[in-house]
Amino acid sequence: EVQLLESGGGVVQPGGSLKLSCAGSGFTFGNYAMNWVRQAPGKGLEWVSSISYTGTGTYYADSVKGRFTISRDNSRDTLHLQMDFLRAEDTALYYCATRNPDCSGGSCYTGSEFWGQGTLVTVSS
Amino acid sequence: QSVLTQPPSVSAAPGQKVTISCFGSSSNIGSNYVSWYQRLPGTAPKLLIFDNIKRPSGIPDRFSGSQSGTSATLGITGLQTGDEADYFCGTWDSGLNTGVFGGGTKVTVL
Repeated sequence: EVQLLESGGGVVQPGGSLKLSCAGSGFTFGNYAMNWVRQAPGKGLEWVSSISYTGTGTYYADSVKGRFTISRDNSRDTLHLQMDFLRAEDTALYYCATRNPDCSGGSCYTGSEFWGQGTLVTVSS
Repeated sequence: QSVLTQPPSVSAAPGQKVTISCFGSSSNIGSNYVSWYQRLPGTAPKLLIFDNIKRPSGIPDRFSGSQSGTSATLGITGLQTGDEADYFCGTWDSGLNTGVFGGGTKVTVL
């Protein structure tokens, strides 16, 4: 059974940093592209970032480009999101998500069937 | 403002059918697969449709997806009270090189 478990959320002041992690189990982590998706309070889903299964391809929403860094450690079955220069508008529930690797191109970063339970990030002074 | 456009809300009586539209452009829906998600309060999004028309195992055939040109549609037949939720479309945008979601549609069962 595919399981994803996020951690690292919390309360941080504007301009601060947080590092989120997502531990995968029940599947061959290194074969799966991975994604971060967030949902701010009262808002819809927002795609944040994706990384290819090898880690060589990384993609970011314009709203986080230059501030967030996605990475993965396939030896530890773990996905990370380093978030720097945080803003109030980054306050959200952050999910890691993935889909089966029977995909190609951009579809490997969408159509996520497997989601973690989410970790809450609050940016406030 | 979302890249993909969905109606804010749709409603129908139990047992009836609703359709939710998702409008995009040639760089997203027009050239990449669309997925649909259901989000119930307090839970992670649940994938209903992927690759335009496919259902993950466990998703009933009351849920269906279609795509034509730069738009996609989610259909829900035999509407149940448990279907009251927010529904989101999503896809990849080859021009932006990013994932994109619609703003979400709230389904109300009357």
